[in-house]
Amino acid sequence: EVQLVESGGGLVQPGRSLRLSCAASGFTFDDYAMHWVRQVPGKGLEWVAGINWNGVSIGYADSVKGRFTISRDDARNSLYLQMNRLRPEDTALYYCAKDIFRGRGAPTAWFGMDVWGLGTTVIVSS
Amino acid sequence: DIVMTQSPDSLAVSLGERATINCKSSQSVLYSSENRNYLGWYQKKPGQPPKLLLYWASTREAGVPDRFSGSGSGTDFTLTISSLQAEDVAVYYCQQYYGTPLTFGGGTKVEIK
Repeated sequence: EVQLVESGGGLVQPGRSLRLSCAASGFTFDDYAMHWVRQVPGKGLEWVAGINWNGVSIGYADSVKGRFTISRDDARNSLYLQMNRLRPEDTALYYCAKDIFRGRGAPTAWFGMDVWGLGTTVIVSS
Repeated sequence: DIVMTQSPDSLAVSLGERATINCKSSQSVLYSSENRNYLGWYQKKPGQPPKLLLYWASTREAGVPDRFSGSGSGTDFTLTISSLQAEDVAVYYCQQYYGTPLTFGGGTKVEIK
């Protein structure tokens, strides 16, 4: 069974840092791009960051560029999101998501997301 | 950035009736060399992660009922639920993967009338 399990969320003060993790299982992790997507309570979905299958292509939403860093450890089948200089507006449920298609040989770095974790909650507040 | 605009924000449809959701992108998401629209549709229910319904604007994900269909090309797209069921109550999002950053529409809430 394909599964993604996020961890690392919690309550943190503005300006501090937090690192989210996503453990993947049930598929060949290093074949796929991976994403972080967040949802502020009561609001819509926002793509936060993506990393392609081999880690060469990385992208961020404008709202987190320069503060967040996405990375992957294929040996551990894990995806990470290092979040620095956190702001109250970063408060959200953060989802880890798997890309639809295998990345090797694909014309673009990423596509949509076909498997999602249950999410981990980040609250930024003093 | 490609801006995705959905309409309406919400709609109420009777059970068994058709629901239609529109999505417009600020620039074309048609990858001309492949003749594919880089657009997906997702269903989001409270307390659950999003669920992929369609990709390439009109290809149903495995296991998605055939009452869900997608159409459109370039900048204008539609998600249609042909016969609304109680379990279809949710918020629906379109998303483009033509350009980075990936962007979602604002969502359309579907309720039972």
